[in-house]
Amino acid sequence: QVQLQESGPGQVKPSETLSLTCAVSGYSISSGYYWGWIRQPPGKGLEWIGSMYHSGSTYYNPSLKSRVTISVDTSKNQFSLKLNSVTAADTAVYYCARDRGGGCSDCWGQGTLVTVSS
Amino acid sequence: QSALTQPASVSGSPGQSITISCTGTSSDVGGYNYVSWYQQHPGKAPKLMIYDVSDRPSGVSNRFSGSKSGNTASLTISGLQAEDEADYYCGSYTSSSTPHVVFGGGTKLTVL
Repeated sequence: QVQLQESGPGQVKPSETLSLTCAVSGYSISSGYYWGWIRQPPGKGLEWIGSMYHSGSTYYNPSLKSRVTISVDTSKNQFSLKLNSVTAADTAVYYCARDRGGGCSDCWGQGTLVTVSS
Repeated sequence: QSALTQPASVSGSPGQSITISCTGTSSDVGGYNYVSWYQQHPGKAPKLMIYDVSDRPSGVSNRFSGSKSGNTASLTISGLQAEDEADYYCGSYTSSSTPHVVFGGGTKLTVL
């Protein structure tokens, strides 16, 4: 079955770049689907960050678009998130997920907490 | 402030049925059959329960059903069980500004 696992620093300093990677097992990214990121600030709801089609098309949340980059590395079967110029408001659990289309995330990673703090 | 509006909380007794609403606009819920529902237990990742308004992924109980009327989607859980107590989120594709996804603020379901 498909499994996703996030990895990356648990703490990032304000104004720096948050970088996370999602390793996918049980399915080849190059075979299809969208691959994306969703975050959840502590005690709050879900916020969609963006997704990337396996062939390279990207879609971003308009409120984050200027700071976000999602990329896919099919050779390693993983995809990545970069969010620059972070502030405390970017502190959240970050989930990677497979999007079957229409914004429907059918497989999720376990999530990783990233804290923005000096 | 979330793009989609959900009640903050709902409750029901074991065996009863409850419905959670998700209200959007003609640019999201009302314009596309791309509404999804997620269940999230504390400390866990969300789990897809309904997609494309009313379809259930393999393995999800048929006690969970989805529907849509105009700009409002609904999730109904019948035969409530203790393990259904969780947070529920709706999500929808939207074409507002650029194509993206919006979520509701979440609904806490309490099984009394």
